[in-house]
Amino acid sequence: EIVLTQSPGTLSLSPGERATLSCRGSQSVNITYVAWYQQKPGQAPRLLIYGASSRATGIPDRFSGSGSGTDFTLTISRLEPEDFAVYYCQQYGNSSWTFGQGTKVEFK
Amino acid sequence: EVRLVQSGAELKKPGESLKISCKGFGYSFRHYWIGWVRQTPGKGLEWMGVIYPDDSKTIYGPSFQGLVTISADNSVRTAYLQWSSLKASDTAIYYCASVRYFDWLPPDYWGQGSLVTVSS
Repeated sequence: EIVLTQSPGTLSLSPGERATLSCRGSQSVNITYVAWYQQKPGQAPRLLIYGASSRATGIPDRFSGSGSGTDFTLTISRLEPEDFAVYYCQQYGNSSWTFGQGTKVEFK
Repeated sequence: EVRLVQSGAELKKPGESLKISCKGFGYSFRHYWIGWVRQTPGKGLEWMGVIYPDDSKTIYGPSFQGLVTISADNSVRTAYLQWSSLKASDTAIYYCASVRYFDWLPPDYWGQGSLVTVSS
């Protein structure tokens, strides 16, 4: 079973700044099957990125994903107030889903 | 509009049974996989299993095999997650999520979550 480790645990930033979130797999992950989600308090996760770099429907282009092998990155180019939330990476495919433990992006 | 609507919050005692539900609207229910995901403060998001309503094919996550039962009823467009004997450690928020192709795509529609509290 693949284990996904996200870093940092918390990112303290200000609106307008760039956020870079990392997700590392315990073994190589098929990039076709890496996704990123955003979750706000009291809400379900919201799909942002799939296939490591494809934005889901309606997701602003300030969100981008990249990576391959064991290392994947979610970048938010300029933080908007509504982007402060918890972000999770996910591996899908191989008849299973695995989630990272999350990175919280908080106001500095 | 695609929507997944889950059943409400539950307060149960250890040892009791429970069945929570997830009803799909706005899409071909029987042809989309529905998965269940547990969320706790300590362990984050954990995949429990998925079901394909058309043929009831079910795949369980390794940590949940034998501990829960996932089922679906196409006639009412509803998937279910059930426990025969709850434990305090089952206290969590449970989400259902749908995906067209389980092995190719991530879940893109999620229910609002069902809070289950198990306490004596």
